Amino acid sequence: SQQGEEDPQALSIQEGENATMNCSYKTSINNLQWYRQNSGRGLVHLILIRSNEREKHSGRLRVTLDTSKKSSSLLITASRAADTASYFCATDRDTGGFKTIFGAGTRLFVKA
Amino acid sequence: SAVISQKPSRDICQRGTSLTIQCQVDSQVTMMFWYRQQPGQSLTLIATANQGSEATYESGFVIDKFPISRPNLTFSTLTVSNMSPEDSSIYLCSARQGRGEQYFGPGTRLTVT
Repeated sequence: SQQGEEDPQALSIQEGENATMNCSYKTSINNLQWYRQNSGRGLVHLILIRSNEREKHSGRLRVTLDTSKKSSSLLITASRAADTASYFCATDRDTGGFKTIFGAGTRLFVKA
Repeated sequence: SAVISQKPSRDICQRGTSLTIQCQVDSQVTMMFWYRQQPGQSLTLIATANQGSEATYESGFVIDKFPISRPNLTFSTLTVSNMSPEDSSIYLCSARQGRGEQYFGPGTRLTVT
């Protein structure tokens, strides 16, 4: 069963705009990871944020984590057409081993 | 980061047959997993591949249907047995070292006719 839910399910923006995707989860976690998947291709790991961290940056990506609200957000700044993809959050539960459970994903479309 | 390869990359199989998917990691890893991704959907965890012991299956997945082997710290196989069209999906191998980043193979696209 899926641990997290992303919103929005789909997002369409213009190139140059910022894109924000949110992820909520249900149980306590050790860490949360964000992935990108281009259509028909494999998963690309973007960022891992641990439960004791509140924010991480990687290039144009900014991830926040609020464990009190059981939520995370992924911000992509100055989006490009190449950012068009599905984005997934995945949580590593605090119990039940090291397995990682994925959310439903957000489909991002960046218009040139 | 770990580099993961899978074979085959895709296959078309007849119902009732079985297919074994191989997963090779370029370094020793603590954990290996198998996921399934239906078209347009998210990833669903099938099982955790345990080295030297039986895999740990998630709810809805059973060993008779999806036998898994993991003979060492870099290799695992997933067999999809007695296939039906409902098994058509992308099967992904994944690996992580401890609580670090989790990486994925390119996937095996299976079509059952």
